[in-house]
Amino acid sequence: QQQVKQSPQSLIVQKGGISIINCAYENTAFDYFPWYQQFPGKGPALLIAIRPDVSEKKEGRFTISFNKSAKQFSLHIMDSQPGDSATYFCAASKDTDKLIFGTGTRLQVFP
Amino acid sequence: DSGVTQTPKHLITATGQRVTLRCSPRSGDLSVYWYQQSLDQGLQFLIQYYNGEERAKGNILERFSAQQFPDLHSELNLSSLELGDSALYFCASSPGDRRGGANVLTFGAGSRLTVL
Repeated sequence: QQQVKQSPQSLIVQKGGISIINCAYENTAFDYFPWYQQFPGKGPALLIAIRPDVSEKKEGRFTISFNKSAKQFSLHIMDSQPGDSATYFCAASKDTDKLIFGTGTRLQVFP
Repeated sequence: DSGVTQTPKHLITATGQRVTLRCSPRSGDLSVYWYQQSLDQGLQFLIQYYNGEERAKGNILERFSAQQFPDLHSELNLSSLELGDSALYFCASSPGDRRGGANVLTFGAGSRLTVL
């Protein structure tokens, strides 16, 4: 019940395309759903986050879609760029608890 | 620079040895978290401290221990090291309470441990 399942494990997208990464959770008490971006040799950095009172949040080319009834949320990267090539982690937490991370998606954007 | 400082950046040691990883949280953050990232693995939660007290424990081995000091820096001690302990160890910090972003984690750059 504490798990967050993430797919796909890896993703190859052409420059200008849309990258979509999906996550699912079981614990309905989770109330915070962030996405982290990690470049090789660096620590993960917060990209965008959503709380369950909204169904969508957009920041620039990055959008989180949240489906509370399905217990799923996804990250959409519009107009994907080679600089977006990184590993993306979804996560979830309840209240002030620790973040539970998904297994990560390695995104490669080719020119 | 995220504001979370981890030392050392790289560490190579032998099996059976003991190492200490150090973390200074972002200014103002009271919570410190330790995560382990093995090759091609996700981020496995080890332990969380809030203002000096242990708040949550994850899949942390008995050979590992941690503490948070009064100045809020934290240390992760890894002993009787095994080859499988080779990994990236990340420290993260957060405000840790309900001050608008309790669980917004800021990660350090990590400490890469290699056990030979």
